[in-house]
Amino acid sequence: DQQVKQNSPSLSVQEGRISILNCDYTNSMFDYFLWYKKYPAEGPTFLISISSIKDKNEDGRFTVFLNKSAKHLSLHIVPSQPGDSAVYFCAASVNSGGSNYKLTFGKGTLLTVNP
Amino acid sequence: NAGVMQNPRHLVRRRGQEARLRCSPMKGHSHVYWYRQLPEEGLKFMVYLQKENIIDESGMPKERFSAEFPKEGPSILRIQQVVRGDSAAYFCASSPPSQQAAGSNIQYFGAGTRLSVL
Repeated sequence: DQQVKQNSPSLSVQEGRISILNCDYTNSMFDYFLWYKKYPAEGPTFLISISSIKDKNEDGRFTVFLNKSAKHLSLHIVPSQPGDSAVYFCAASVNSGGSNYKLTFGKGTLLTVNP
Repeated sequence: NAGVMQNPRHLVRRRGQEARLRCSPMKGHSHVYWYRQLPEEGLKFMVYLQKENIIDESGMPKERFSAEFPKEGPSILRIQQVVRGDSAAYFCASSPPSQQAAGSNIQYFGAGTRLSVL
């Protein structure tokens, strides 16, 4: 039962253009969402997060959009750089009820930014 | 300012042997989490520990797997009598206690231990 889905296993983008990574979730209890970036042979690195009380959060080149009614979030990277090439994981948690520590991850999307 | 340290990075075991994976959290972090990533899958929560306490082990297989976080020393994930299906990357993460209280749960991950069972 995949509660967090990243339906695109891979994405290829030209340097300087926008990268858009998508994530869908099925559990309506999720109220906190995170994006992690992972390089080969390294652990996931936290990138950006958003609470369900917001619909947008921006940090430099990275913006996360949340559409609660569609149970969909997306990560925009603009402009994309070759160093952004990595696997991007979407994760979600339920902040209420005392179990906010349990992150549920998607399978990841491999982003390749071509020079 | 060391991050989350996991060792070993790679561990090879034969079926039936024991595997011990170690995790030292970031300085000031008292919450430790273990996740497992099977090939072509996302990370799956296994267990959440605080010093000397297992808070939630709902993601751990009922048999052969155990975890601890002693008062002194690293957190240990122990797998007894390993089988081929245990081959995976095991990631440890940590967070400070104040973060959960603030309503966010950003977890900081180590580089993982890749377990191969022959």
